Amino acid sequence: QVQLVESGGGVVQPGRSLRLSCAASGFTFRSDGMHWVRQAPGKGLEWVAVISPDGNYKHYADSVKGRFTISRDNSKNTLYLQMNSLRAEDTAVYYCVKDRGSGYYTGCLDSWGQGTLVTVTS
Amino acid sequence: DIQMTQSPSTLSASVGDRVTITCRASESISSWLAWYQQKPGKAPKLLIYKASSLESGVPSRFSGSGSGTEFTLTISSLQPDDFATYYCQEYKSYPWTFGPGTKVEIK
Repeated sequence: QVQLVESGGGVVQPGRSLRLSCAASGFTFRSDGMHWVRQAPGKGLEWVAVISPDGNYKHYADSVKGRFTISRDNSKNTLYLQMNSLRAEDTAVYYCVKDRGSGYYTGCLDSWGQGTLVTVTS
Repeated sequence: DIQMTQSPSTLSASVGDRVTITCRASESISSWLAWYQQKPGKAPKLLIYKASSLESGVPSRFSGSGSGTEFTLTISSLQPDDFATYYCQEYKSYPWTFGPGTKVEIK
C-alpha cells in the first residue's frame, strides 16, 4: 500500500526558506516520477514541480521557477522541496504525489500524501 | 499554458441522481485528462485517467468520456460518499493544469 508522509511545513516569514520532505513507502520509489502539488486555503489545486525517477529531469511551474528546487534521495525513499524566497502567495497545503507512470512520469497523479501546511506571514 | 474550465462550479443533487460534470480544455489534449475527487480536509483521489479509464478500486458508478477539448465525468447514481469537490486535470503538457473544481452538494 502506497504511503506518502510529508513533513517540514510551518510558519515562515516572507523571504525566508523552508524545506519539505516526503517519506515514501509501499512501492518502488526509485522507479516512479514524483510531484509536489499545492492548494492555497479555500482554493483549487496547482501543480508545482516534478522530478524523474533518477532525479535527472525536473520541471517547475512558472510561479516557483528559480525559487523552489525539487530533489530526491532514492537510497532513503525520500522526496524534497527546497523553498527559498518565500512569498505570502506561497501559503498553501503542499502535497507529495506519486506519478501513475512507471520508469518515467506522465503527469497523472495516482497517490497523494496527506499534505503539509506552509504559511508565509510576517 | 493550457487552460481548463469546469461547469457547473456547484451542483446540488440528491442521493440516487445521475450527475454530469463538464470539463473543457483551451486546446486539444487528446485523451490526456484525469479526474480527482477531494473531500474537505483530505487529499485528492484519482478517479479516472486517460479520460475514460477507471482507476483501480473506484466504484463503477463513476465514468469518464470525451477527447480533444471536451470531457465529462458522470456519476450514475449519486451516493452519500460522493458529496465532494471534483477536479479535472490535463496532463498533455507542462505546466499540467487543473480545472477550478465542481462542488457536489446535497440538495
